[in-house]
Amino acid sequence: DAGVTQSPTHLIKTRGQQVTLRCSPKSGHDTVSWYQQALGQGPQFIFQYYEEEERQRGNFPDRFSGHQFPNYSSELNVNALLLGDSALYLCASSYEPAYEQYFGPGTRLTVT
Amino acid sequence: AQKITQTQPGMFVQEKEAVTLDCTYDTSDQSYGLFWYKQPSSGEMIFLIYQGSYDEQNATEGRYSLNFQKARKSANLVISASQLGDSAMYFCAMRDLSNFGNEKLTFGTGTRLTIIP
Repeated sequence: DAGVTQSPTHLIKTRGQQVTLRCSPKSGHDTVSWYQQALGQGPQFIFQYYEEEERQRGNFPDRFSGHQFPNYSSELNVNALLLGDSALYLCASSYEPAYEQYFGPGTRLTVT
Repeated sequence: AQKITQTQPGMFVQEKEAVTLDCTYDTSDQSYGLFWYKQPSSGEMIFLIYQGSYDEQNATEGRYSLNFQKARKSANLVISASQLGDSAMYFCAMRDLSNFGNEKLTFGTGTRLTIIP
């Protein structure tokens, strides 16, 4: 049973560029959440997708956007990258009524 | 708003000893869930254990148990018989269960656990 997968593993971008990160949920899961984890911090919730719609959003600017496809996979897009966007980006999948979220290995984004 | 506090930035424990990682929380939600995740150096967050606010029994999963004290708003993780592979960052997290679709997890700042041979 494949777990949550994310691509790419690492990414280096320049300030002002745009980036797309990808996530495939665990088999049987229909909900995908994205988190940003800065160095030395706990993950911060960005948003969640369910039935191809953004269902819930954290305190992140509109530069952060996403998409969910019919097969439940998801993308996270970040426009106009800032140095402060450098972080580990974690994708998590889940399904109701289970409560736990299962995380992928993350994508480490470095903005120079 | 929800808040998780983990006051131990780092802990060193001898192999085979038990260890308790502290977690206190603050919320106005009537129904909520508490989670513990392990994050090795590879970065992946590994789900360890879950406790619902209305569960009467403390949760247990193998060597992991959650010491839930609702009145004190604490949800400490206890690892029995620690192993070298337990060395990692540990995060406490919570979510609101009273609103369908509200699955946002709020995390603490974590505790780095190092097991000494």
